[in-house]
Amino acid sequence: GQQVMQIPQYQHVQEGEDFTTYCNSSTTLSNIQWYKQRPGGHPVFLIQLVKSGEVKKQKRLTFQFGEAKKNSSLHITATQTTDVGTYFCAGTMEYGNKLVFGAGTILRVKS
Amino acid sequence: NAGVTQTPKFQVLKTGQSMTLQCAQDMNHNSMYWYRQDPGMGLRLIYYSASEGTTDKGEVPNGYNVSRLNKREFSLRLESAAPSQTSVYFCASSEYYRGSMSNQPQHFGDGTRLSIL
Repeated sequence: GQQVMQIPQYQHVQEGEDFTTYCNSSTTLSNIQWYKQRPGGHPVFLIQLVKSGEVKKQKRLTFQFGEAKKNSSLHITATQTTDVGTYFCAGTMEYGNKLVFGAGTILRVKS
Repeated sequence: NAGVTQTPKFQVLKTGQSMTLQCAQDMNHNSMYWYRQDPGMGLRLIYYSASEGTTDKGEVPNGYNVSRLNKREFSLRLESAAPSQTSVYFCASSEYYRGSMSNQPQHFGDGTRLSIL
């Protein structure tokens, strides 16, 4: 079963509102990656975090890796219609060798 | 560059039929993967090939076989299709760095939408 839990499963926001999706693991992760999949498309790599407490920004997107390396978040400021899609986190368990994907958060934006 | 190319894009099969999904990458990546995507389940790893000449089972390998034909190509075969295998199948590739394939970005193909009646 899934070892990387992602919440919420679904979020519908008004354009201009903020959005956050959370990723949690019961075990320590050596790294975490985030992907975006547009409707009908394929997942596209956004970013990788590897350090405890790491924060990275890409324009309106802010990615965080928890201090214990067991959780991560993606925050989008002032959502736009172009942000619509499914956001996946994917982590590698410590001492593991494969990425495990979360179930994804579907974001819909009302204009 | 095409990146990761999957064929076919769509396919309808009858229960019991066999089929091979093709995947090729032109990025000279060592590692390749096959995933299936079902609503609410995210991406589940079927099989992977860390490097040419090796293949390993992922999370949901039952009912599938794979072949790493060469460094570029990695095929997925359904020997006797079942309705439970109706899904969207994605092939992906990544580099292999410092003994790990999971610390590199994965590049995905456009997917194969497979329906089994």
